[in-house]
Amino acid sequence: DTEVTQTPKHLVMGMTNKKSLKCEQHMGHRAMYWYKQKAKKPPELMFVYSYEKLSINESVPSRFSPECPNSSLLNLHLHALQPEDSALYLCASSQGWGAPVDTQYFGPGTRLTVL
Amino acid sequence: AQTVTQSQPEMSVQEAETVTLSCTYDTSESDYYLFWYKQPPSRQMILVIRQEAYKQQNATENRFSVNFQKAAKSFSLKISDSQLGDAAMYFCAQANAGNMLTFGGGTRLMVKP
Repeated sequence: DTEVTQTPKHLVMGMTNKKSLKCEQHMGHRAMYWYKQKAKKPPELMFVYSYEKLSINESVPSRFSPECPNSSLLNLHLHALQPEDSALYLCASSQGWGAPVDTQYFGPGTRLTVL
Repeated sequence: AQTVTQSQPEMSVQEAETVTLSCTYDTSESDYYLFWYKQPPSRQMILVIRQEAYKQQNATENRFSVNFQKAAKSFSLKISDSQLGDAAMYFCAQANAGNMLTFGGGTRLMVKP
């Protein structure tokens, strides 16, 4: 089972709202990722969690706040977003983080629109 | 810094024909991994094929195969017997130890019936 699930599928929010994106995997993977993808562009890495600890933050604005409550769950808390933050947000997971390189498995994404 | 370049923004192929998508990369590492991911319209990104740089044999996965030219830093994807379901955005990606993927800009593949 190589399934990564994400909820919600679609989210529309105002610039003053607070919302959260959720990602779940039950493959026993110990690394989880958040990516942002604009239309017709490749995914851009935002955050990496390894063993529930934040390993990488790619200089993401503080209005995006990740959280890893346990090894299966990854959240992305959103607050005071800008219209340019509208994008597809992808979650991914892999067996581990480091060497050797493990394949990342992606979720279907959350389509976020900021009004 | 790593870079991955896909020089074909769009490609089209007739159903049942063969198509090759190009990818070149640049890295100073000797140990790295290469991937092709497929992202159909409004659907999940899935792994098509993976190649370890230390392996000389080209990876294959059913109708999908790669031509890995390490010296030329080239990693092309060949799709044989193209099917309508192959229509998608294809991303070439590279990772060194550490799992951080560097993606190319993508190639949109259209399959004509």
